[in-house]
Amino acid sequence: NAGVTQTPKFQVLKTGQSMTLQCAQDMNHEYMSWYRQDPGMGLRLIHYSVGAGITDQGEVPNGYNVSRSTTEDFPLRLLSAAPSQTSVYFCASRPGQGWNTEAFFGQGTRLTVV
Amino acid sequence: AQSVTQPDIHITVSEGASLELRCNYSYGATPYLFWYVQSPGQGLQLLLKYFSGDTLVQGIKGFEAEFKRSQSSFNLRKPSVHWSDAAEYFCAVAPRAAGNKLTFGGGTRVLVKP
Repeated sequence: NAGVTQTPKFQVLKTGQSMTLQCAQDMNHEYMSWYRQDPGMGLRLIHYSVGAGITDQGEVPNGYNVSRSTTEDFPLRLLSAAPSQTSVYFCASRPGQGWNTEAFFGQGTRLTVV
Repeated sequence: AQSVTQPDIHITVSEGASLELRCNYSYGATPYLFWYVQSPGQGLQLLLKYFSGDTLVQGIKGFEAEFKRSQSSFNLRKPSVHWSDAAEYFCAVAPRAAGNKLTFGGGTRVLVKP
């Protein structure tokens, strides 16, 4: 049982490049989300999805796009990378919208933008 | 707006000594409360959670936390620390109503001395 799988684990981008961070879960969870982790700031919500075809913005959505064409996959796209997007990115999933269900996190993608 | 404060950025503790990590939250109503642990290079793992009932909750790896409504606190404790407990610990809160915002504190990094 793989849980939440993120690829790649590490990535270096040049300013202005675009890329997609992949996230897949095999638990048939409705709810998926993307966070970024920066020192001293904990994790901040970028975008989330409550089911296939439905996405919405979180706390820090600027510069990122998402889509949810299947229940399993929730890719995060950086449109034009900036040094301020250097961070560790985590994908998470949980069965439903209520937080009385456990969220499962991927192992993270460490992104450096130079 | 809801917020979570972890006052200690770093804590160093000797192996076998007790550990207490502080967490204070600001929220309109009692939220769901969580503690997560992040080992180096890993994703987040749920240690324990408080939804209702007994204010002292037990978690995995020998951790416990106590919810104190009057102090808006949810401090994490372990009686005897092991070297493998060296990690970063995050307190988080989420609304009781179905919602998508899990708010994290800034994290406390725990170093364990032999």
